[in-house]
Amino acid sequence: GQNIDQPTEMTATEGAIVQINCTYQTSGFNGLFWYQQHAGEAPTFLSYNVLDGLEEKGRFSSFLSRSKGYSYLLLKELQMKDSASYLCAVPDSNYQLIWGAGTKLIIKP
Amino acid sequence: GAVVSQHPSWVICKSGTSVKIECRSLDFQATTMFWYRQFPKQSLMLMATSNEGSKATYEQGVEKDKFLINHASLTLSTLTVTSAHPEDSSFYICSAYSGESSYEQYFGPGTRLTVT
Repeated sequence: GQNIDQPTEMTATEGAIVQINCTYQTSGFNGLFWYQQHAGEAPTFLSYNVLDGLEEKGRFSSFLSRSKGYSYLLLKELQMKDSASYLCAVPDSNYQLIWGAGTKLIIKP
Repeated sequence: GAVVSQHPSWVICKSGTSVKIECRSLDFQATTMFWYRQFPKQSLMLMATSNEGSKATYEQGVEKDKFLINHASLTLSTLTVTSAHPEDSSFYICSAYSGESSYEQYFGPGTRLTVT
């Protein structure tokens, strides 16, 4: 079967760094997405990894290891506005996204 | 680019009435559109996948006669919630896929439906 796991909730301090992990088990692999979702809003795109390695985009970076079925999202210099849910998703062959349950990130001052 | 709009952004309706939600891709043609539903503090749940000019494919447990989906053009898909009940109150989100090499879906801003 297909399964995506990520922690339910994490807490971090403003200005710090936090890493949100995601492990997946899928039949076939078409890349891995990270989305940010604030309460009451639709998801917004953060990153898409297809190849192994780290991709940096400003304060956010995303890492992928296909052999380990593992990805992480790294958020640096945390700001209060980064408090949100972070969703890991993998597309299947029909272009449907298989979603993790999401990680709620709580930022404390 | 790659903007998806939804209308309305929120709607309140009485139990037993029907509500139509529109999803439009504004600057690209969407070969496939997806409809999601999200209850508070829960993850996105895919309801159905629609391709332009063909019938939608519904996920298990989603009543196709209750949630009517019409993908009439490459830029417009509609979801009609028929005979709405309070338990249909939720956040409905559409996304669109352009059919290009990337698998990225572009999300609309969502529609909050409250059935009284």
